[in-house]
Amino acid sequence: EPEVTQTPSHQVTQMGQEVILRCVPISNHLYFYWYRQILGQKVEFLVSFYNNEISEKSEIFDDQFSVERPDGSNFTLKIRSTKLEDSAMYFCASSALQGHGEQYFGPGTRLTVT
Amino acid sequence: GEDVEQSLFLSVREGDSSVINCTYTDSSSTYLYWYKQEPGAGLQLLTYIFSNMDMKQDQRLTVLLNKKDKHLSLRIADTQTGDSAIYFCAPLTGGGNKLTFGTGTQLKVEL
Repeated sequence: EPEVTQTPSHQVTQMGQEVILRCVPISNHLYFYWYRQILGQKVEFLVSFYNNEISEKSEIFDDQFSVERPDGSNFTLKIRSTKLEDSAMYFCASSALQGHGEQYFGPGTRLTVT
Repeated sequence: GEDVEQSLFLSVREGDSSVINCTYTDSSSTYLYWYKQEPGAGLQLLTYIFSNMDMKQDQRLTVLLNKKDKHLSLRIADTQTGDSAIYFCAPLTGGGNKLTFGTGTQLKVEL
């Protein structure tokens, strides 16, 4: 069964460093998403991406964040200068459709900023 | 924006039915999803309901939607120890682009 994969599973970085979180969406999906979950809090939407453009982003997704589909299979989230409050589990998701596009999630990358 | 609330904990005995409740605020939500998260794992899509339906059954899972009261529930029949997990209600909002997750309900199944 096709699945979304994410690497690394755990990333530790120092405050101020840049990190890139990687995702491989399901191969025939066209819509891609990033969500995050700070420990003990709700899962929050960050950004959606379609046709090489951001289609929607939340207020969390400020200038420190960027997304890219560098090739036909990967989807990345870059945080330019990490802050302590960026420590969270980051989930990538993909869907075949918008609207009723069932979003399938990867296992997550736990980002720890020290 | 959308606000989604769930009770935090539910404990049931193996073999009993579990009912997990969710309330939401955005009446324009078109699809409403249930996800399951086991310890250390990602979010597994369980089932969904379209907003013009009242009920949807999918094997042991039954989803009930009261659109007037903006209340959604997930019933798990014959609950097993393998059903122990956190369950998230997630309406689709923002013009069909994003999921807004509830707080999650931790289901504990006791023998």
